[in-house]
Amino acid sequence: DTGVSQDPRHKITKRGQNVTFRCDPISEHNRLYWYRQTLGQGPEFLTYFQNEAQLEKSRLLSDRFSAERPKGSFSTLEIQRTEQGDSAMYLCASSLESVDEQYFGPGTRLTVT
Amino acid sequence: AQKITQTQPGMFVQEKEAVTLDCTYDTSDPSYGLFWYKQPSSGEMIFLIYQGSYDQQNATEGRYSLNFQKARKSANLVISASQLGDSAMYFCAMREGKRNYGQNFVFGPGTRLSVLP
Repeated sequence: DTGVSQDPRHKITKRGQNVTFRCDPISEHNRLYWYRQTLGQGPEFLTYFQNEAQLEKSRLLSDRFSAERPKGSFSTLEIQRTEQGDSAMYLCASSLESVDEQYFGPGTRLTVT
Repeated sequence: AQKITQTQPGMFVQEKEAVTLDCTYDTSDPSYGLFWYKQPSSGEMIFLIYQGSYDQQNATEGRYSLNFQKARKSANLVISASQLGDSAMYFCAMREGKRNYGQNFVFGPGTRLSVLP
C-alpha cells in the first residue's frame, strides 16, 4: 500500500491555459474525492466518485472544471481557461465504501499567473 | 450560514498537558458523520477520529477522543498528553447524508495548535 498519490505536485500556468491533474487512490478503495484548499482555509469539497460513477458535485465546481474516473481507478481533474482565483491546493482522497475514513494525497499546488 | 464552526483560530498547550479543540456544526440531516483531521506543515491531511450521528458512545483513538454532545451540536476533540509533534492545523469536518448515498462533505476553518516544550 503506497497511499494516495497525486501528479504533478506543483503546477504553474498562465491564465487562460488548461491544466489536468491526476490522482491515484489506494488500490482497493472504490471511493475517490477531490477537494480544493486555499491558504488559511479548510478544504472545500468539489466532487466524489464511487467506482467510475460521479455521485456528487459541489456548486463550487463551475463548468470549467471536469473530473473523470474512467475505469474506476485513477481520476483526473481538468480546469479549462484557468483564472487567478483557481490558484489553490487540489487535494485528492480515497476511501472504502464501507467506512468513512478518507486517506488524502499530498496535493497538487496550482499557481495561475 | 457556516456548517462547521471552529472558534479558536490558534491554541497553545504545554507539552504533556491535555487540550480541547472546539467544533460546532449545523445540519438538519438526521444522519451525518463528524471527523477530525490533522494537517502538519508538510500539508498532508491525516485522519484522526470519526463519530457517527447515531453512535451512542464517544469515539476514542489512542490519545484522541471526541466529546460528542448531540443536543448542543458540538464535537470537540480532546488530545491527552500533548506531544511536540501534535503542533499542526486541526480541521473538524462533517459528512451530511448516509454513507452509501449522495453525500456532502464540509470542513471547518481549522485551529492551529502549538505545543510548547
